[in-house]
Amino acid sequence: ETGVTQTPRHLVMGMTNKKSLKCEQHLGHNAMYWYKQSAKKPLELMFVYNFKEQTENNSVPSRFSPECPNSSHLFLHLHTLQPEDSALYLCASSQEVSPPYGYTFGSGTRLTVV
Amino acid sequence: DQQVKQNSPSLSVQEGRISILNCDYTNSMFDYFLWYKKYPAEGPTFLISISSIKDKNEDGRFTVFLNKSAKHLSLHIVPSQPGDSAVYFCAAYTSGSARQLTFGSGTQLTVLP
Repeated sequence: ETGVTQTPRHLVMGMTNKKSLKCEQHLGHNAMYWYKQSAKKPLELMFVYNFKEQTENNSVPSRFSPECPNSSHLFLHLHTLQPEDSALYLCASSQEVSPPYGYTFGSGTRLTVV
Repeated sequence: DQQVKQNSPSLSVQEGRISILNCDYTNSMFDYFLWYKKYPAEGPTFLISISSIKDKNEDGRFTVFLNKSAKHLSLHIVPSQPGDSAVYFCAAYTSGSARQLTFGSGTQLTVLP
């Protein structure tokens, strides 16, 4: 399988649940990202990992916890989320942390918090 | 405060005509700009980019224009095709400092047959 793969595609969870989103890239990229897309809003960067090291955390609440065990895998652990956290969560990767190569995105996980 | 703005949430164009999508930015440090296209249930895919040292970049039916003095860029699609119907995101980047793309909120393009 090629590209950036995200699982699950859809997730419904209660506010007291704990769940994890998974992202896997088969492109040999060394940087990976989590973005959040809410309706009618810009894509919001959440976390950046470069060579497995977290280099950016854009003031994301602690109920979101990223994990990057290697350059090919990225997780987003979720716990005690709020309904306003419902959104599309997109994972992306790039060859370098910087463009101009651009990012390759996964198809996203549509998260609904009830 | 949004540094990259796409003020038109939607645009409808007749097949065969030109589609023009606009993007404005406020951060004068941005020196690289990209357009992404997103279909429903898929992630955004890279479409075309332009460096700030240029004012135009063309790739087939897609052309991006950059007006640095106005802090404005636009994406032209000609001729427009029904398969171009998607959400288009503008993104900007600063070399050597910030490590992430800053995205606009997107414009839904609908090409009518």
